[in-house]
Amino acid sequence: NAGVMQNPRHLVRRRGQEARLRCSPMKGHSHVYWYRQLPEEGLKFMVYLQKENIIDESGMPKERFSAEFPKEGPSILRIQQVVRGDSAAYFCASSPPTGWNSPLHFGNGTRLTVT
Amino acid sequence: AQSVTQLGSHVSVSEGALVLLRCNYSSSVPPYLFWYVQYPNQGLQLLLKYTSAATLVKGINGFEAEFKKSETSFHLTKPSAHMSDAAEYFCAVSDGGGADGLTFGKGTHLIIQP
Repeated sequence: NAGVMQNPRHLVRRRGQEARLRCSPMKGHSHVYWYRQLPEEGLKFMVYLQKENIIDESGMPKERFSAEFPKEGPSILRIQQVVRGDSAAYFCASSPPTGWNSPLHFGNGTRLTVT
Repeated sequence: AQSVTQLGSHVSVSEGALVLLRCNYSSSVPPYLFWYVQYPNQGLQLLLKYTSAATLVKGINGFEAEFKKSETSFHLTKPSAHMSDAAEYFCAVSDGGGADGLTFGKGTHLIIQP
């Protein structure tokens, strides 16, 4: 029973390039969440998606960041024109559609380094 | 709005000693509370959760936490620390009201001294 799968585990990009982070939720989970973790910080909510719908993107920067969860395939977090401040660990989590008392299951994260 | 405060970014205990990691929350509604553990280069794993049932919650790996409404606290404890407990621990609160309802604390790094 595979857990939440994220790839790549490590991603290095030069300033100005695009970063694409992928997340496949656990089987049976239709809710996907993206969080960003900066050093010495907790996890900051970015976006919550269900299949083909963005439910809440209140934590997403207004520019350069976008997310999708298509009907088929993984969820994608896309960062355009990356800057050094985007360097962080990005975690995806999934849950079944049974509300917030269902715990989130996290992937192992993608560590983005912008040089 | 809700928030979580974890007292102490680093906690060091000796192997075999009591582990106590503090978490205080604020929430305008009865909260759901969670403790997660993160090992190096891994994602977060759920240790335990409180969802308005018993106030003393038992989790995995011998950890437990007690919900104290009067103190707005949800401290994590373990009677006897093991070297394998060394990790980052995050407290989180949810009001159950929406997608962005899960708010994490900044984490406490638990160090186990041999």
